[in-house]
Amino acid sequence: ETGVTQTPRHLVMGMTNKKSLKCEQHLGHNAMYWYKQSAKKPLELMFVYNFKEQTENNSVPSRFSPECPNSSHLFLHLHTLQPEDSALYLCASSQELGQGMKHGYTFGSGTRLTVV
Amino acid sequence: GESVGLHLPTLSVQEGDNSIINCAYSNSASDYFIWYKQESGKGPQFIIDIRSNMDKRQGQRVTVLLNKTVKHLSLQIAATQPGDSAVYFCAENIPPNSGYALNFGKGTSLLVTP
Repeated sequence: ETGVTQTPRHLVMGMTNKKSLKCEQHLGHNAMYWYKQSAKKPLELMFVYNFKEQTENNSVPSRFSPECPNSSHLFLHLHTLQPEDSALYLCASSQELGQGMKHGYTFGSGTRLTVV
Repeated sequence: GESVGLHLPTLSVQEGDNSIINCAYSNSASDYFIWYKQESGKGPQFIIDIRSNMDKRQGQRVTVLLNKTVKHLSLQIAATQPGDSAVYFCAENIPPNSGYALNFGKGTSLLVTP
């Protein structure tokens, strides 16, 4: 275990379904992230939260909706997804990056999402 | 746009040999670099990092080399073991960074054969 827990590990959903991915960390980190990992592509940053405030939305379609109720929890709400949204969705957390940064991110194991 | 990239998508080595995984970056302002290892079914895990004021850093069986002149980063794994089989990513931090977000490369798949 890395300290970042993602649930569920696997999810199959239809294009008309609504589902949510959950991420939880108790590392005392201030920043949390959602990344999308597709085959043969670099990790794609989706959202960044710092002290519960969203600091970056990397041109993500509105069918993905993040929520960060506190510094330890992060959700990704999904609705009316497309088959091309099938991917591994990774959550990560970090201490403040900058002069004091070290070790970058701590990643969860991801949620393998399949849209049918 | 500027991004981190990798010279080789796959690398096959024999157990016991040394492995070298390369990464090219294009942003001269990048000040911090990390190598991650991702095993099947898991998220990326930190291996080793290096700041731009250094050119070499060693860990346990791993060494990272940074050549800022040619914007090149490499990961060397000594005495490669079957457990080293994974995808390896390099990542960079480009200041100023309001989103604290690292920029990742595509990844190199390392396969260790007995």
